[in-house]
Amino acid sequence: DIQLTQSPFSLSASVGDRVTISCQASQDIRNGLNWYQLKAGKAPKLLIYNTFNLETGVPSRFSGSGSGTDFRFSINSLQPEDIATYYCQQYDSLPLTFGGGTKVEIK
Amino acid sequence: QVTLRESGPALVKPTQTLTLTCTFSGFSLTTPGMCVSWIRQSPGKALEWLALIDWADDKYYRTSLKTRLTISKDTSKNQVVLTMTDMDPVDTATFYCARSTASYYFDQWGQGTLVTVSS
Repeated sequence: DIQLTQSPFSLSASVGDRVTISCQASQDIRNGLNWYQLKAGKAPKLLIYNTFNLETGVPSRFSGSGSGTDFRFSINSLQPEDIATYYCQQYDSLPLTFGGGTKVEIK
Repeated sequence: QVTLRESGPALVKPTQTLTLTCTFSGFSLTTPGMCVSWIRQSPGKALEWLALIDWADDKYYRTSLKTRLTISKDTSKNQVVLTMTDMDPVDTATFYCARSTASYYFDQWGQGTLVTVSS
């Protein structure tokens, strides 16, 4: 199974800051990576698919990049409503797997 | 409009079998490329993908839980059912069902259902 390692485990940043989360795959997954936002008490929300494609309706301050084994997710200007835990997920091969999550907080 | 809703018991005893139902609308599992997965999140833990069934009735499972999981579909009722045998307190989690295409990104999710395993 493909393992996804996310870092950092958590981060604290100020409103307006740019934050970046890393997701490293245990083997080459080409561009097969998605990113989700999970807020307490709510269903997970797809933000980015196929590494860099923004899901419809998702603000453009969210972005994704990378290929192979190294991927990044960024929030260009952190907003209070972005407080959540973010997960990467690979779909290059079954079984599907998620990263360990990164909790984002406001400083 | 696509919706998914999970249903099932809120409490199960250790060693029992859990049966969860995902009832969906706005799409059909007879459409080529359509898939439904089950995903869980235990308290304080990360999301875990559990199982997937696709329009062709192909089924895939999380490696570590393969012997305990069964996924099935009833296309006439627009439902996907997950059974998980031999439940243990560590299986306490919120269980979600989610739709994907064969590109395997989950674009629609249910609200989740919390299942507690306790005697």
